[in-house]
Amino acid sequence: AQKVTQAQTEISVVEKEDVTLDCVYETRDTTYYLFWYKQPPSGELVFLIRRNSFDEQNEISGRYSWNFQKSTSSFNFTITASQVVDSAVYFCALLMNYGGSQGNLIFGKGTKLSVKP
Amino acid sequence: EPEVTQTPSHQVTQMGQEVILRCVPISNHLYFYWYRQILGQKVEFLVSFYNNEISEKSEIFDDQFSVERPDGSNFTLKIRSTKLEDSAMYFCASGQGVFGPGTRLTVT
Repeated sequence: AQKVTQAQTEISVVEKEDVTLDCVYETRDTTYYLFWYKQPPSGELVFLIRRNSFDEQNEISGRYSWNFQKSTSSFNFTITASQVVDSAVYFCALLMNYGGSQGNLIFGKGTKLSVKP
Repeated sequence: EPEVTQTPSHQVTQMGQEVILRCVPISNHLYFYWYRQILGQKVEFLVSFYNNEISEKSEIFDDQFSVERPDGSNFTLKIRSTKLEDSAMYFCASGQGVFGPGTRLTVT
């Protein structure tokens, strides 16, 4: 069975601190995609990154970075020098690909990040 | 950049009424989805649509729900007789993880 676990329910940091959001996934398939989304209080899901299972290269985008480790089935997300605008719920998600046929996204329960000034 | 759009942004309805939530997915995408998020909870899969038919559905997607792609551009989710517990944010998505802004459904 496929599953995504975000063990941190809530994290609170002070502005300019670095913060890492953990994501652990379970799947038996070799082809899949991993995503991170940001959900601000307004409710929309803001796409942050998509990574396929064959690309373990870490990625950096401004203050955001992602660490994909297949050996531990983890896809962690780090925000460097956090800002108040980073306050949101962050979701990790898994998308399966069954022999060319695309499945649905399986979401973790989300981590609520509060960044205080 | 192409985007997924949804209307209305907020719908209030009375219990037992039918509602139709509308989505315009990205035109060259092949897969379309509806997801639901009850307030404060995680996003849950409802149904996927491929080649003009349902390809997969979850346990939540019971006989009260139906989907249609009536005209090649719109993708609709119908709830026949709404219940209080249908109150949630409904997201349409297409392709690989491209989400619309959501419709907040409130059933009173």
